[in-house]
Amino acid sequence: KAGVTQTPRYLIKTRGQQVTLSCSPISGHRSVSWYQQTPGQGLQFLFEYFSETQRNKGNFPGRFSGRQFSNSRSEMNVSTLELGDSALYLCASTGGQGLDEQYFGPGTRLTVT
Amino acid sequence: DQQVKQNSPSLSVQEGRISILNCDYTNSMFDYFLWYKKYPAEGPTFLISISSIKDKNEDGRFTVFLNKSAKHLSLHIVPSQPGDSAVYFCAASTGSQGNLIFGKGTKLSVKP
Repeated sequence: KAGVTQTPRYLIKTRGQQVTLSCSPISGHRSVSWYQQTPGQGLQFLFEYFSETQRNKGNFPGRFSGRQFSNSRSEMNVSTLELGDSALYLCASTGGQGLDEQYFGPGTRLTVT
Repeated sequence: DQQVKQNSPSLSVQEGRISILNCDYTNSMFDYFLWYKKYPAEGPTFLISISSIKDKNEDGRFTVFLNKSAKHLSLHIVPSQPGDSAVYFCAASTGSQGNLIFGKGTKLSVKP
């Protein structure tokens, strides 16, 4: 079974630009969650999608948005990038067993200059 | 305000000895707890979980203990092996399907 894939793995953007990150979950998994990891704040929950609907949302500004497609693939978008958005963005795919069946992708390293 | 705290940023242990990683939480609504291991350039990998109805869960060399009254959990690794060297994250959730609140991690180094 293929794991969670995230593209691109590395990205460099300039302040004010926008960015779209992609996540392909494990086949059969319908839930996709996104997390941001920074040295200062650690791992923080962004949002979760299940069957194309946002089911949970963390405490991030509206510049952070996401969506999920009918094949469960998910994208997250960050608009008007700020230097503080530089982080590792992790996607997690969750199966029917819940959090014990949650697998993380390798992440996308975003650098904002 | 950190709801899940791992107060030791690092821990060094000799191979073959026990590693004990600690985690404290403040939100009494949390009822499901997980430990993850993370290597550089990889996403976290699930290790072991525990529900609040239990006080101990074992899986091979890994045991998680939960003390609800103290809002404290710990991960014991016995015996520790050099391949266990990684960053360990404690996470909490309300229910086994909810989103995770993570601690900031403890870097474990197991010396041969």
